[in-house]
Amino acid sequence: AQSVAQPEDQVNVAEGNPLTVKCTYSVSGNPYLFWYVQYPNRGLQFLLKYITGDNLVKGSYGFEAEFNKSQTSFHLKKPSALVSDSALYFCAVRPDRGSTLGRLYFGRGTQLTVWP
Amino acid sequence: EAQVTQNPRYLITVTGKKLTVTCSQNMNHEYMSWYRQDPGLGLRQIYYSMNVEVTDKGDVPEGYKVSRKEKRNFPLILESPSPNQTSLYFCASSFSSGRNNEQFFGPGTRLTVL
Repeated sequence: AQSVAQPEDQVNVAEGNPLTVKCTYSVSGNPYLFWYVQYPNRGLQFLLKYITGDNLVKGSYGFEAEFNKSQTSFHLKKPSALVSDSALYFCAVRPDRGSTLGRLYFGRGTQLTVWP
Repeated sequence: EAQVTQNPRYLITVTGKKLTVTCSQNMNHEYMSWYRQDPGLGLRQIYYSMNVEVTDKGDVPEGYKVSRKEKRNFPLILESPSPNQTSLYFCASSFSSGRNNEQFFGPGTRLTVL
């Protein structure tokens, strides 16, 4: 079965400090991996994706994510957090085979709070 | 402006009263999908559509119907809503079902069924 795990419901960091939001996945074949962000009362916005190639992917708003195949992880990172980064972050995976081809599976989300 | 629109944004209704939530995209996307978001559960897919007249069930299709008669529209129908369908609903679209296509999300519809 396809699944995505975000082990932390909440992550709290001080502004200016580095942040990491964790994601691990279980999917058949080679995954395509995505991060989305949801600000209050808004829909989800695409941040970045891993398709193939370089394991470090750069995305919007200074975020990046590192794909680690051996650990089946795709952690979201930012070197210096901003208060405006406070939001709900979702990791998602798309399998490459089987009847679920084309579908997107989401983690349960991690609430990031950056305090001044 | 490229976007996915949903209507209504907020809806309070009573058990058993049929309702439709509309979804429209102006990006000529083939793939469209409906999700519901519940606290602690993340987003779960209700139905999706690969193209016009092609729809399939997601993870939680019970109590919902969809149709895709036109490429731009993908309405979600609740024939007989129940309180357990109280949730935040999102429509999304992507260029195709190809794995590298990110999805674009609508602003959400908050539904309360009393």
